[in-house]
Amino acid sequence: SQQGEEDPQALSIQEGENATMNCSYKTSINNLQWYRQNSGRGLVHLILIRSNEREKHSGRLRVTLDTSKKSSSLLITASRAADTASYFCATDLNTGFQKLVFGTGTRLLVSP
Amino acid sequence: EPEVTQTPSHQVTQMGQEVILRCVPISNHLYFYWYRQILGQKVEFLVSFYNNEISEKSEIFDDQFSVERPDGSNFTLKIRSTKLEDSAMYFCASTVAPGSGANVLTFGAGSRLTVL
Repeated sequence: SQQGEEDPQALSIQEGENATMNCSYKTSINNLQWYRQNSGRGLVHLILIRSNEREKHSGRLRVTLDTSKKSSSLLITASRAADTASYFCATDLNTGFQKLVFGTGTRLLVSP
Repeated sequence: EPEVTQTPSHQVTQMGQEVILRCVPISNHLYFYWYRQILGQKVEFLVSFYNNEISEKSEIFDDQFSVERPDGSNFTLKIRSTKLEDSAMYFCASTVAPGSGANVLTFGAGSRLTVL
């Protein structure tokens, strides 16, 4: 499996519902980040959680990190149609290198 | 808000032709990156660049690829002889200084390359 794998690959919900996306990774990390990508556009940083943190909130976003299971989840509460996008987790590896490794992404569709 | 700008937004080229994709990172950023995304697939790391040299490159970044920072503002990706499989969206990204353990990247909108 790859360094970052999100599940589900696709998620379809109604406005107002919560959306939960999961990310698993393989190696030790400095931090884990979530990015959003609107169709055909660049990635936008949403939230970062450090390896010594377990949960973080930002507006309607809640991120958890379980380093023992090498997994993270992104919860979007009270979803809106404008949340429709692809969501990627990205790991900052604990190797001294400076790149981020992106996961496979979850495509979220929020219907009005 | 500062942006990473990329040009062209879309380029169509014939197989075997050279392509240069241009990026203007955020002015006070020090680390620069190229990523690519084949349609519908994951975002793949190509290369990182710091202090006027490559700091890391992936297996994808073979001899056909090169990067350059020809002046104080532009950061370019050159593909010497394009192949069909180079068709993808290419993203430039930059960050201030990842040493603090918080390597947040700012991405450009991407350059879509179509190789015929």
